[in-house]
Amino acid sequence: EAGVTQFPSHSVIEKGQTVTLRCDPISGHDNLYWYRRVMGKEIKFLLHFVKESKQDESGMPNNRFLAERTGGTYSTLKVQPAELEDSGVYFCASSQVRDTGELFFGEGSRLTVL
Amino acid sequence: QKEVEQNSGPLSVPEGAIASLNCTYSDRGSQSFFWYRQYSGKSPELIMFIYSNGDKEDGRFTAQLNKASQYVSLLIRDSQPSDSATYLCAVNMDAGGTSYGKLTFGQGTILTVHP
Repeated sequence: EAGVTQFPSHSVIEKGQTVTLRCDPISGHDNLYWYRRVMGKEIKFLLHFVKESKQDESGMPNNRFLAERTGGTYSTLKVQPAELEDSGVYFCASSQVRDTGELFFGEGSRLTVL
Repeated sequence: QKEVEQNSGPLSVPEGAIASLNCTYSDRGSQSFFWYRQYSGKSPELIMFIYSNGDKEDGRFTAQLNKASQYVSLLIRDSQPSDSATYLCAVNMDAGGTSYGKLTFGQGTILTVHP
């Protein structure tokens, strides 16, 4: 069974540009999470989808970040326009059961904003 | 004060020894606690979870929880060089909420097991 896959693994963009990160959760996992780790800091929650609905987006830093999960399968996280402080590793995680913190993580997408 | 605190290490132990990793958390109402292991450049991987006070054992791993002291630990017995990784303590602080996968992470402890 394939795990959580994320694309791209690394993206380098200039300040002001747009980047879209993609996450494919494990098949059948309705719950999808985005997390982020910026340099020297801990991994922080961004948002939670249940199928195509946003369950909790309290961790989204600002309106430059837009997450979607059309059809309840894969998800995208768009940053527009990117700022220097957006650099970090963006992790996606999924779970089959809603009421659990037992998550399956992807390897992350490293974003570098110059 | 950080919500979940871990000693960043590095913690270095000899092969075969017991590695002890510690974590404290700020929210007394927290109900579920997790240990994830992350090898460099790889995904965090769940290795243990604990919901009740006391000890929980799984193979060489033992998780210990003391809610009164707001303390959770991970013991690794018979440590192996392959255990060398960053260990992340994570806590669900969304008590009463609906996002059980909304975890608050510590910064992680780097463990090195030397032959």
